[in-house]
Amino acid sequence: EMQLVESGGGLVQPGGSLRLSCAASGFTVSSNYMSWVRQAPGKGLEWVSVIYTGGSTYYADSVKGRFTISRVNSKNTLYLQMNSLRAEDTAVYYCARARTTDLHDAFDIWGQGTMVTVSS
Amino acid sequence: DVQMTQSPSSVSASVGDRVTITCRASQGISSWLAWYQQKPGKAPKLLIYAASSLQSGVPSRFSGSGSGTDFTLTISSLQPEDFATYYCQQANSFPYTFGQGTKLEIK
Repeated sequence: EMQLVESGGGLVQPGGSLRLSCAASGFTVSSNYMSWVRQAPGKGLEWVSVIYTGGSTYYADSVKGRFTISRVNSKNTLYLQMNSLRAEDTAVYYCARARTTDLHDAFDIWGQGTMVTVSS
Repeated sequence: DVQMTQSPSSVSASVGDRVTITCRASQGISSWLAWYQQKPGKAPKLLIYAASSLQSGVPSRFSGSGSGTDFTLTISSLQPEDFATYYCQQANSFPYTFGQGTKLEIK
């Protein structure tokens, strides 16, 4: 069974850092386009970042320069390093796999989400 | 950025009803449109990709149509498990953007 499991969320003070992990099973992270999507409490979905098979990365303007997406192939794990955190970054963070390596495809596998709360 | 606008924001319906949700993009996105279902406390679930292709394992009562800027999701005969929030998402250009959601409630 193909599965994604996130971890690393928690409470952090404004200006702080956190690293989220997303462990994959049943498929290879490095052979897929992988994204992070977040959802603030009671709000809709917001795409955050993507990493392509070749290593290219893209970010939403709201996190550019503060967040870094990466992967460790030997661990089959995706990461999101979040620095200079703000209250508006408070959300459930999901990792998600694109259905194919077509540039325009949808997300077919999602993790269960990990909650990040930025507050003093 | 491409703005995605869903309507209605909420809808009440009964089991067995036919329901249609629309999604409009602020600029043309070809057929790069997906629909997701989300239940409280759960991750989104892919229903439709490429505007009209049914994801494997999704019941055939779900269907999608449209291209360019106007898209629809139709549920032909509502089942109790279909009451949830539905989101459209464009994958034509970065940043990928989602609609604000449509909450489908039991009448």
